[in-house]
Amino acid sequence: KQEVTQIPAALSVPEGENLVLNCSFTDSAIYNLQWFRQDPGKGLTSLLLIQSSQREQTSGRLNASLDKSSGRSTLYIAASQPGDSATYLCALTRSARQLTFGSGTQLTVLP
Amino acid sequence: NAGVTQTPKFQVLKTGQSMTLQCAQDMNHNSMYWYRQDPGMGLRLIYYSASEGTTDKGEVPNGYNVSRLNKREFSLRLESAAPSQTSVYFCASRGGETQYFGPGTRLLVL
Repeated sequence: KQEVTQIPAALSVPEGENLVLNCSFTDSAIYNLQWFRQDPGKGLTSLLLIQSSQREQTSGRLNASLDKSSGRSTLYIAASQPGDSATYLCALTRSARQLTFGSGTQLTVLP
Repeated sequence: NAGVTQTPKFQVLKTGQSMTLQCAQDMNHNSMYWYRQDPGMGLRLIYYSASEGTTDKGEVPNGYNVSRLNKREFSLRLESAAPSQTSVYFCASRGGETQYFGPGTRLLVL
């Protein structure tokens, strides 16, 4: 059974810092890996999707990497802003296009 | 273009009561999903529907039933609610490799 782990569960940083969120998984047989953002009381918004054949994807200040051999993905956020405060979840897609989610990292960026 | 919509936003039930959570999408997607989110456990798949007329169990289907009414709508029914079903329920639809989520329904079972 695929296990997806996100550590730490919560992270607080001052505005302007670069930061890295971690996601680890036990089974490397995946189609892709996605990073989502969840604001309090809201649904999830897809940020980045990395296909299993890719190593990284970038969107603005966000960069996500994927290393299947080590079972790890990272989400790098450059020059963090208070508006980046949210919970970030990683999710893997395997067969039948089902997502397996990690429990998330709650990020707080302090002004 | 509303994306994925869910009703109700919030519901309180007593143990043993039944209710149906509604979900609709206007993106012409074939695949739709129901998840529950509990503190510290991420999202877990309850049921999914790969296309109109088909449904399959996910990781935690016990105590739930679903209906894919048409391509747009996918409902989740609790026949006899239990306190363990207190959670936030999310509906999603898939376009390409990306899933699009509704705003969620907060359910409290007393």
